[in-house]
Amino acid sequence: DTAVSQTPKYLVTQMGNDKSIKCEQNLGHDTMYWYKQDSKKFLKIMFSYNNKELIINETVPNRFSPKSPDKAHLNLHINSLELGDSAVYFCASSQVAGSARAFFGQGTRLTVV
Amino acid sequence: QQQVKQSPQSLIVQKGGISIINCAYENTAFDYFPWYQQFPGKGPALLIAIRPDVSEKKEGRFTISFNKSAKQFSLHIMDSQPGDSATYFCAASMTGNEKLTFGTGTRLTIIP
Repeated sequence: DTAVSQTPKYLVTQMGNDKSIKCEQNLGHDTMYWYKQDSKKFLKIMFSYNNKELIINETVPNRFSPKSPDKAHLNLHINSLELGDSAVYFCASSQVAGSARAFFGQGTRLTVV
Repeated sequence: QQQVKQSPQSLIVQKGGISIINCAYENTAFDYFPWYQQFPGKGPALLIAIRPDVSEKKEGRFTISFNKSAKQFSLHIMDSQPGDSATYFCAASMTGNEKLTFGTGTRLTIIP
């Protein structure tokens, strides 16, 4: 059973295109996140949703728009893709209360050409 | 502003040796300090975590040492094995704000 699953695993697209990454968790967690890992492996939070509500929105271009249709899903839509958007994007989930243990998906490697 | 500083950037240890990775934080509101292990092509996975009310936590070959006054914590891997070769991230978060602030990562290589 996959706890946090993302699709697609790889995404290659041209500059200017719009793309989406989907994420689903089956852990019953209340909180979901999107993290970005750059080419130097640095991990940084982008967004956090709690029960479908946006609670964290770090300094991210507004070309990035998360959408949470329900507690188990958090999708990331990116408009007008730029070369600098190339990175690995990780979805994660955790319980708000308790240990704050976050479970990560396998990542989506986005390459913009 | 890098709130969690991690060192070294890379580390090579002989099989059977002790691997030590260090982290320092600035924000005294942090109250949860996990370590994540990441293999190539995979997402980070929680390895071990500590809260500041204890100075040490051990799980198998992995130990976290925590120094609250110095605002430092470290990961010790005893009897390091080739399968431990991975990138390790320290992180910190605070109650009520569940986002993780990560260190810059340490690429650990265990050589036979």
